[in-house]
Amino acid sequence: AQKITQTQPGMFVQEKEAVTLDCTYDTSDQSYGLFWYKQPSSGEMIFLIYQGSYDEQNATEGRYSLNFQKARKSANLVISASQLGDSAMYFCAMREGKRRNQFYFGTGTSLTVIP
Amino acid sequence: DAGITQSPRHKVTETGTPVTLRCHQTENHRYMYWYRQDPGHGLRLIHYSYGVKDTDKGEVSDGYSVSRSKTEDFLLTLESATSSQTSVYFCAISVSLTSYEQYFGPGTRLTVT
Repeated sequence: AQKITQTQPGMFVQEKEAVTLDCTYDTSDQSYGLFWYKQPSSGEMIFLIYQGSYDEQNATEGRYSLNFQKARKSANLVISASQLGDSAMYFCAMREGKRRNQFYFGTGTSLTVIP
Repeated sequence: DAGITQSPRHKVTETGTPVTLRCHQTENHRYMYWYRQDPGHGLRLIHYSYGVKDTDKGEVSDGYSVSRSKTEDFLLTLESATSSQTSVYFCAISVSLTSYEQYFGPGTRLTVT
């Protein structure tokens, strides 16, 4: 089974609108972490936001928020007020492991912001 | 800027030749990682290190070995490169010991012909 599933290969959003990128995960660990990364066309990987499995509040970082629904095992990224510079690939990732951390990434969602 | 460099940035090599990729960090972080990125697969963890001479296997470690003799350097070796190892390779570090979020180097594009 896939550890991280991103079902939206491509998404479009109008500039200044909000967009939600979906991510579901699979783990039997109680302690784990969830991350979102951005990869612009230039190729670098940029860390956006983190949610710990014990965190009760949804994480927020500026225009990014992580909608964490533990029972549903989902960790959706919400980008508010989209900007042209938000056009990029977005990857959801998970850290799990009792003794040693393992990291798993999804296949990514390509977001295009339309002016 | 997490102070991570990768060398070389681009390499073309022939099947069967050994290849070593270097990851260098300037801030003495303990945790370092090697990933490969392929279309349709996202990033997949190859090996990681929790300190000098302390390394472990990731999800796709077959055909790869690593070494870490100094805190600042993490080397990835393909003993005998194959065409299936054509990929973009990213090195990463973890700064926080609570969240372990990762900061990535610029990547190395490796082509095996």
